[in-house]
Amino acid sequence: DVVMTQSPLTLPVTLGQPASISCRSSQSLVHSDGNTYLSWFQQRPGQSPRRLIYKVSNRDSGVPDRFSGSGSGTDFTLKISRVEAEDVGVYYCMDGTHSPPWTFGQGTRVEIK
Amino acid sequence: EVQLVESGGGLIQPGGSLRLSCVASASTFSRHWMWVRQAPGKGLVWVSRFNSDGGTTEYADSVKGRFTISRDNAKNTLYLQMNSLRAEDTAVYYCTRSFDSWGQGTLVTVSS
Repeated sequence: DVVMTQSPLTLPVTLGQPASISCRSSQSLVHSDGNTYLSWFQQRPGQSPRRLIYKVSNRDSGVPDRFSGSGSGTDFTLKISRVEAEDVGVYYCMDGTHSPPWTFGQGTRVEIK
Repeated sequence: EVQLVESGGGLIQPGGSLRLSCVASASTFSRHWMWVRQAPGKGLVWVSRFNSDGGTTEYADSVKGRFTISRDNAKNTLYLQMNSLRAEDTAVYYCTRSFDSWGQGTLVTVSS
């Protein structure tokens, strides 16, 4: 199975400043159909997960444009252009290319300094 | 956006069985339906998928042979039958439609 490795595991950020989370996969996430099925999820404290980004860089409906996804192959990044208080939580990347299984990263906790 | 409501969790002894339900506000006929779990203080782990294209099912190795996913289109409901439960199955179980909609989760605690 693919291993998804996120860094850092904890990210202290200052309100209004940018933040960046890295996700690396043990194998290329390019599917045979040409798509790359890499998603990002946000889980606020006490809440269910919510998908933010699918296929590397596509924002889900209602997701603020301060969130952006980029990357290719085995190296991906989630960026928050200006962190707001409501962005506190744990962020997960997930591989959908090599499914099943669908494999999540271990999570990155975003906290306010 | 579809609303999903899980139920059926609770405290169960090791070796016991539980059936989780997930009622959807829209038809379950299309799209893929999944169960994902999260052990206390841990990350997200995919458990099972019901593939609406052909009705096939897939399972994580950790639950294969013990869990069964199924769907009742008439009731817009997804199920997860969990048998031979172990302590390591303790988690919040989330129902999700193709990962774009998630329920609030139901807690399963396996303990004597």
